[in-house]
Amino acid sequence: ETGVTQTPRHLVMGMTNKKSLKCEQHLGHNAMYWYKQSAKKPLELMFVYNFKEQTENNSVPSRFSPECPNSSHLFLHLHTLQPEDSALYLCASSQSGLGELFFGEGSRLTVL
Amino acid sequence: EDQVTQSPEALRLQEGESSSLNCSYTVSGLRGLFWYRQDPGKGPEFLFTLYSAGEEKEKERLKATLTKKESFLHITAPKPEDSATYLCAVQAGGADGLTFGKGTHLIIQP
Repeated sequence: ETGVTQTPRHLVMGMTNKKSLKCEQHLGHNAMYWYKQSAKKPLELMFVYNFKEQTENNSVPSRFSPECPNSSHLFLHLHTLQPEDSALYLCASSQSGLGELFFGEGSRLTVL
Repeated sequence: EDQVTQSPEALRLQEGESSSLNCSYTVSGLRGLFWYRQDPGKGPEFLFTLYSAGEEKEKERLKATLTKKESFLHITAPKPEDSATYLCAVQAGGADGLTFGKGTHLIIQP
């Protein structure tokens, strides 16, 4: 495996479900990110982890809960989501402090 | 608040017809300006980083330039495979993440 891998690629869930998105990077980077991409909107930064420590949380609702157990893995735990949370969730990694992000292919989430 | 505005929203060109995409920005202490390419159903792919006004970077048919208020992505003699959405982003001083624009959807017709 190379680059940044995200699973699952597609997820459909009801508003009462609990699910998780997973991201793994094989680039030796020490920073990882979650971004949300909705139609007609710019990418929105959700969370940043540097050396496993969360350094940014852009006022994201608590129904999104990130977890970074080590510098290669990042999770986004989802619970009691709303239909407006339907979007493409992108994971990225970089060397800490640098803006050259390497993205995964995204997890397309649909909340019914 | 950091802001990135890209224009036009969409651009349709004939193969070989050169043009430019614009990215205007306001940011507190620019650390870098970035261009990405995104194909449908895929994550963005990094193209260029520009750090200071006057800097230019080139890759195949693409050339990125930077002034104190905006950046341009020039596309010379484009081919259909250059069709994609091009995203511009900035990194502010002290920030870990990037602020993105909405992108320009570019279509190159054969």
